Amino acid sequence: DAKTTQPTSMDCAEGRAANLPCNHSTISGNEYVYWYRQIHSQGPQYIIHGLKNNETNEMASLIITEDRKSSTLILPHATLRDTAVYYCIVRVAVRYIFGTGTRLKVLA
Amino acid sequence: GEEVAQTPKHLVRGEGQKAKLYCAPIKGHSYVFWYQQVLKNEFKFLISFQNENVFDETGMPKERFSAKCLPNSPCSLEIQATKLEDSAVYFCASSHGGLNSPLHFGNGTRLTVT
Repeated sequence: DAKTTQPTSMDCAEGRAANLPCNHSTISGNEYVYWYRQIHSQGPQYIIHGLKNNETNEMASLIITEDRKSSTLILPHATLRDTAVYYCIVRVAVRYIFGTGTRLKVLA
Repeated sequence: GEEVAQTPKHLVRGEGQKAKLYCAPIKGHSYVFWYQQVLKNEFKFLISFQNENVFDETGMPKERFSAKCLPNSPCSLEIQATKLEDSAVYFCASSHGGLNSPLHFGNGTRLTVT
């Protein structure tokens, strides 16, 4: 199964873009990349997902490299409420494989 | 409903007692997943269902853990003879199952084994 690796933690200034990287070098051609976040101990919240193309929604943008071995989640204007643990997940068929996540701290 | 509902929010059991957790998936979702979060960050997959059928149980500790999803009832996860190491937050999630279908998570049940 494809695995993901993410930095353990990152800081970002409020109002600036937060760029969260993820490596998934063993990903296969039909495996999707999903991003979720967990605020405190709540259930993980869906952010965005993609297969090959870059994606954007009201929350974030997802940039996937051409070889699909890595991706970056971009929060364009981080706020204090974006402080959370962000998980990059590879979906293999109907299995969602979590990485260990990046703890993002947005600083005032 | 529009949300995955998990009950109870908190559960305290003495070592050796039974624990039963419940999950009502979003209406119309045919897949249900259970995850265990022991350390703050790490999610361990336990089991998934497609409707009432077990789809993938590769993460389930077979000896003491069991799970069901019966028609017209909440799904359940049961732990017989709980151990201290079972203390964790247990999350349930549901999805349509299609290629473009994200998981929708409940807010979890925090199980404390004393």
